Amino acid sequence: RKEVEQDPGPFNVPEGATVAFNCTYSNSASQSFFWYRQDCRKEPKLLMSVYSSGNEDGRFTAQLNRASQYISLLIRDSKLSDSATYLCVVNGKDSSYKLIFGSGTRLLVRP
Amino acid sequence: EPEVTQTPSHQVTQMGQEVILRCVPISNHLYFYWYRQILGQKVEFLVSFYNNEISEKSEIFDDQFSVERPDGSNFTLKIRSTKLEDSAMYFCASSDGRVAPGELFFGEGSRLTVL
Repeated sequence: RKEVEQDPGPFNVPEGATVAFNCTYSNSASQSFFWYRQDCRKEPKLLMSVYSSGNEDGRFTAQLNRASQYISLLIRDSKLSDSATYLCVVNGKDSSYKLIFGSGTRLLVRP
Repeated sequence: EPEVTQTPSHQVTQMGQEVILRCVPISNHLYFYWYRQILGQKVEFLVSFYNNEISEKSEIFDDQFSVERPDGSNFTLKIRSTKLEDSAMYFCASSDGRVAPGELFFGEGSRLTVL
């Protein structure tokens, strides 16, 4: 099983759509969870951390299910500028600063 | 806004040559990292560095790789004898460590092409 697994997409959606990405991770000892965004040929940038209780940042909502080792990201009211690859990221083990990246899910938002 | 800067942005080298990639992390950050991304593949951890020593490294980070913080600002990655498979984008990152592991700030990357 891959350490962090994501649907590669691409997800092709119209502006204004709601889109959801899923991610599973294999190491039950991971304690920190994140969504990063990567534009084509650019560096990853932190989108949001994911907390056990779920958290929201504007149009973005992240959820964590530790029992299922499952993380999700919901984007509401998609904008053209949301087009990017979304990377699910977990730390390697409890207190580890090593990050393990998923391969990413590509999102294309069309006019 | 403070940022991580990397040089060079692109380096082309012959197989077997030594390469040094340079990074200037954000000034008050304490944790430094190198990651790499082979074209079309995922971002992979290479090494983390804290308090002037390596804190973790991956299987990729073999004897051909080394890191150094030669002064108070620079953080370098050296590849002693490059191989074709070292061709990738190398990202430096830093964090202040006060918040959860993973809130990293990445530089724009150094693209290494080994011929």
